[in-house]
Amino acid sequence: EDKVVQSPLSLVVHEGDTVTLNCSYEVTNFRSLLWYKQEKKAPTFLFMLTSSGIEKKSGRLSSILDKKELFSILNITATQTGDSAVYLCAVINSVIQGAQKLVFGQGTRLTINP
Amino acid sequence: DSGVTQTPKHLITATGQRVTLRCSPRSGDLSVYWYQQSLDQGLQFLIQYYNGEERAKGNILERFSAQQFPDLHSELNLSSLELGDSALYFCASSPRPGDEQYFGPGTRLTVT
Repeated sequence: EDKVVQSPLSLVVHEGDTVTLNCSYEVTNFRSLLWYKQEKKAPTFLFMLTSSGIEKKSGRLSSILDKKELFSILNITATQTGDSAVYLCAVINSVIQGAQKLVFGQGTRLTINP
Repeated sequence: DSGVTQTPKHLITATGQRVTLRCSPRSGDLSVYWYQQSLDQGLQFLIQYYNGEERAKGNILERFSAQQFPDLHSELNLSSLELGDSALYFCASSPRPGDEQYFGPGTRLTVT
């Protein structure tokens, strides 16, 4: 059974700190890994990673994938209170005849204190 | 705003009833996905449609069904509702299977 595990489940830091969120996966026929940010509503897309070792960056957020060790990390530098959210990691298995499942991890609840 | 719309935002109904949730994907997206999010289960994939055809099924109960119409909007039908069906139901869309998915604002269903 496909599995995505995130750690830690909860993290509380001070504004300005740097955080690293972890995601490991076991899926058949891996295709890509995605990160989402979920505040009080719908998950918002952050990154999609398909190739190992290539860092994706957007402002203070960055992410990298290791397909050999089956994990990804999401880094947030100089955290702000607006970064407080649940961060979700999800994996897409291979697309066969248009069929695709997105398997989500449990999420990491990040709280940034001023 | 992702461009995916869902109606209604909130729905309160009684056990045994039937409801229909509606989703309009982003313009140009052919693939629609439905998810259920409850406190104890996280985000669970239910079903996927691509260009009007069902393509993948997840943990969807037999009491639930969905369809995608020629104009690409989708509906999720939940019948014989139970208290445990109370959850947030999200719709997401992507241009094609394998692309990143964009989520709608969700429908919060409460079964009393």
